[in-house]
Amino acid sequence: DGGITQSPKYLFRKEGQNVTLSCEQNLNHDAMYWYRQDPGQGLRLIYYSQIVNDFQKGDIAEGYSVSREKKESFPLTVTSAQKNPTAFYLCASSAGIAGVSYNEQFFGPGTRLTVL
Amino acid sequence: AQSVAQPEDQVNVAEGNPLTVKCTYSVSGNPYLFWYVQYPNRGLQFLLKYITGDNLVKGSYGFEAEFNKSQTSFHLKKPSALVSDSALYFCAVSPFYGNNRLAFGKGNQVVVIP
Repeated sequence: DGGITQSPKYLFRKEGQNVTLSCEQNLNHDAMYWYRQDPGQGLRLIYYSQIVNDFQKGDIAEGYSVSREKKESFPLTVTSAQKNPTAFYLCASSAGIAGVSYNEQFFGPGTRLTVL
Repeated sequence: AQSVAQPEDQVNVAEGNPLTVKCTYSVSGNPYLFWYVQYPNRGLQFLLKYITGDNLVKGSYGFEAEFNKSQTSFHLKKPSALVSDSALYFCAVSPFYGNNRLAFGKGNQVVVIP
């Protein structure tokens, strides 16, 4: 998990509330990613960012939003529009440059979100 | 779009026996292939990757994987499994030209029996 921190480790949300998950990296990586992990479904990409002030939707972006104002930070907001947000959320980064896809991704320890 | 299949949900192996975790992929053009391991309630840890060159790739903790282009496979292997190898293993693929987006398989739970 070295170099990437996620907070909080556990998060509880009431229905109708927005919550923000933090992701910080000190690896000087350009690219950052958010994944959602559900049992038996592997990892699904929510959003990714190749450079500061730019980001793209992944496969399951509906109900989520992100920002990339600083190279080291990529927070994820889970909005009330996300119908089934209970999951394990993983942030990752890589030394990726647009068009170069052979760099491995480094993952944070994850945030487990539970909707009450 | 790229995709990965990990056909077995769980792999059980006795400690000291060889361990194999299967992965097949689909991608346009040449692939970059990765294996990651996840311990309970933790993030993923990188094990190894194939970019080009030798089809047999060696990685962390005694793991290796063999790239087979004709069978579009990238099976993970370890000659002698340890109880501490019990974890969830993910195969992932990205295209040679792309934006570093990885497609992950569903994962294989490996259980090493003492």
